[in-house]
Amino acid sequence: KNEVEQSPQNLTAQEGEFITINCSYSVGISALHWLQQHPGGGIVSLFMLSSGKKKHGRLIATINIQEKHSSLHITASHPRDSAVYICAVKGSNYKLTFGKGTLLTVNP
Amino acid sequence: EAGVTQFPSHSVIEKGQTVTLRCDPISGHDNLYWYRRVMGKEIKFLLHFVKESKQDESGMPNNRFLAERTGGTYSTLKVQPAELEDSGVYFCASSLSGMNTEAFFGQGTRLTVV
Repeated sequence: KNEVEQSPQNLTAQEGEFITINCSYSVGISALHWLQQHPGGGIVSLFMLSSGKKKHGRLIATINIQEKHSSLHITASHPRDSAVYICAVKGSNYKLTFGKGTLLTVNP
Repeated sequence: EAGVTQFPSHSVIEKGQTVTLRCDPISGHDNLYWYRRVMGKEIKFLLHFVKESKQDESGMPNNRFLAERTGGTYSTLKVQPAELEDSGVYFCASSLSGMNTEAFFGQGTRLTVV
């Protein structure tokens, strides 16, 4: 079992829908990252959080340290949001442990 | 300001050949990381430099992989000799010093060994 589990693995939505991607982890962490990768593109950091909630535009990330769970929400989804969303956690050392990613497709 | 840059973006080599990947981190970033995604798997850690020193190389698959960061600036990752299972996308990331500083990723190098 991977230390970082994401769900769902694949998600298809219609433009305008509210999207939620979940991430659960089994180790103690110092921070959790949400990353985005468009097809053929590099990895972009969306959020780094260690508690509470962060918001950037239509994106919201939350984390519950006690439950070892984080969610990434996208409001009013758009086809340009189609990408792989990756959850990664940082433990007591510097390296990141990654989930397998969630492939999001938003149809117009 | 330039982001993390990687070169080449793609490389196709034959089994047994040598390939060298390069990563230029963001200027001033002491931390430099190499990661790899092989087909169908999650991204995995390879190693971590702090300036020119290897801080953690626990993720390096075997001794066919050699990473260097001379002068604490750019880094190279050499695979010699390459095997089929080395195919994947190699990502480099850098961050400022400190534990919880944001990591910035490069575009990745897609390596295909045939």
